[in-house]
Amino acid sequence: GQNIDQPTEMTATEGAIVQINCTYQTSGFNGLFWYQQHAGEAPTFLSYNVLDGLEEKGRFSSFLSRSKGYSYLLLKELQMKDSASYLCAVRDLRGSYIPTFGRGTSLIVHP
Amino acid sequence: DVKVTQSSRYLVKRTGEKVFLECVQDMDHENMFWYRQDPGLGLRLIYFSYDVKMKEKGDIPEGYSVSREKKERFSLILESASTNQTSMYLCASSLEQGAGGETQYFGPGTRLLVL
Repeated sequence: GQNIDQPTEMTATEGAIVQINCTYQTSGFNGLFWYQQHAGEAPTFLSYNVLDGLEEKGRFSSFLSRSKGYSYLLLKELQMKDSASYLCAVRDLRGSYIPTFGRGTSLIVHP
Repeated sequence: DVKVTQSSRYLVKRTGEKVFLECVQDMDHENMFWYRQDPGLGLRLIYFSYDVKMKEKGDIPEGYSVSREKKERFSLILESASTNQTSMYLCASSLEQGAGGETQYFGPGTRLLVL
């Protein structure tokens, strides 16, 4: 089984940087995803990490440390439209394409 | 662009009714999934399918069944709806593992209220 932990809620100011952490315990790690979900909408893919290190995509970056069971999503130059839930999902050897989702972090960006 | 559609955005049913939730994807994906999403609990996997007529139980299959008669369509069935099945239901699809298709694509969701 898996245990995925991320903060329930975070707040940040427009223009700032925010880091959303995700820790996990899994029997056979096989990749970690971050999804963004605006209220009332479907989750959309942000990033995928399977090797240690930082992956950068514009204002968003995702980091993975497999030895520590730890990932973070870094959002730079925050915009109001970044207010959303951010879902961490971990895939393990139980059916290699089926990730298990954390409970999500609700990010509120205020002016 | 991958498109995953669900038959209804909102649905209201009575306890004991049989409920069908339909999901269609247009990208020839092998894998399809049904999740429910509840506040504080996140996304939980109900059932998934990796091929036509194939299905596997997820983490919370009780009270649900599924059908995949065609590759593009995956149906979730509540045989006898109960109030604790009031939830947001999300369908997703993905390519077969190893084909560079690890990403899941989600439909817009069906918000089901069981009275």
